[in-house]
Amino acid sequence: QSVLTQPPSVSGAPGQRVTISCIGSSSNIGAGYAVHWYQQLPGTAPKLLIYDNNIRPSGVPDRFSGSKSGTSASLAITGLQADDEAHYYCQSYDASLSGSVFGGGTKLTV
Amino acid sequence: QLQLQESGPGLVKPSETLSLTCTVSGGSISSVNYYWGWIRQPPGKGLEYIGLIYYVGSTYYNPSLKSRVTLSVDRSKNQFSLKLTSVTAADTAIYYCAKTGQGVATQYAYWGHGTLVTVSS
Repeated sequence: QSVLTQPPSVSGAPGQRVTISCIGSSSNIGAGYAVHWYQQLPGTAPKLLIYDNNIRPSGVPDRFSGSKSGTSASLAITGLQADDEAHYYCQSYDASLSGSVFGGGTKLTV
Repeated sequence: QLQLQESGPGLVKPSETLSLTCTVSGGSISSVNYYWGWIRQPPGKGLEYIGLIYYVGSTYYNPSLKSRVTLSVDRSKNQFSLKLTSVTAADTAIYYCAKTGQGVATQYAYWGHGTLVTVSS
């Protein structure tokens, strides 16, 4: 059971928009800690996609965006492409556990 | 460009100790305000935080693993290491080393490729 809750799967057609939710609690996202998102393509290491709730590292297309409100956060992907098919993970910090926590991951099917 | 590379045995027997090393290249492990961590991923499952270490040796562990985990750093070799004792099949996973952003409660900006460790007799 992950501390952060994500839907196991989402899907969308090419060109469409999808969102992935990440639900936390008052000891992590709700406590004001930032949310970060990672994309993991099959057989590869996770890649940082969004950090500090809504900042894209250099090289990440602006089709990817993040938001945070209260005890939850969301990742939105617009203009879906076939190579967006991957697992997506959210991550934050939990004050009760004094460490990083991850969501269980969401598999995106395009 | 910063690179991280995990190394260590791919097979460990139950009850023994898992030992991995992460070699950092293209940057210094003694970077102020940046931390070095280990994250693992059982086959087909999600990511699990193991712990962080700062270059001066301060450590932070996942409470669920704390009794079995030790992180250490070797500044002279630009490496940091993970030891996990009394392993069982549940410790079979891909182990990643990573570098955080500034601070403990931040993102993992750089990742190694990961190394699969199987616990089996």
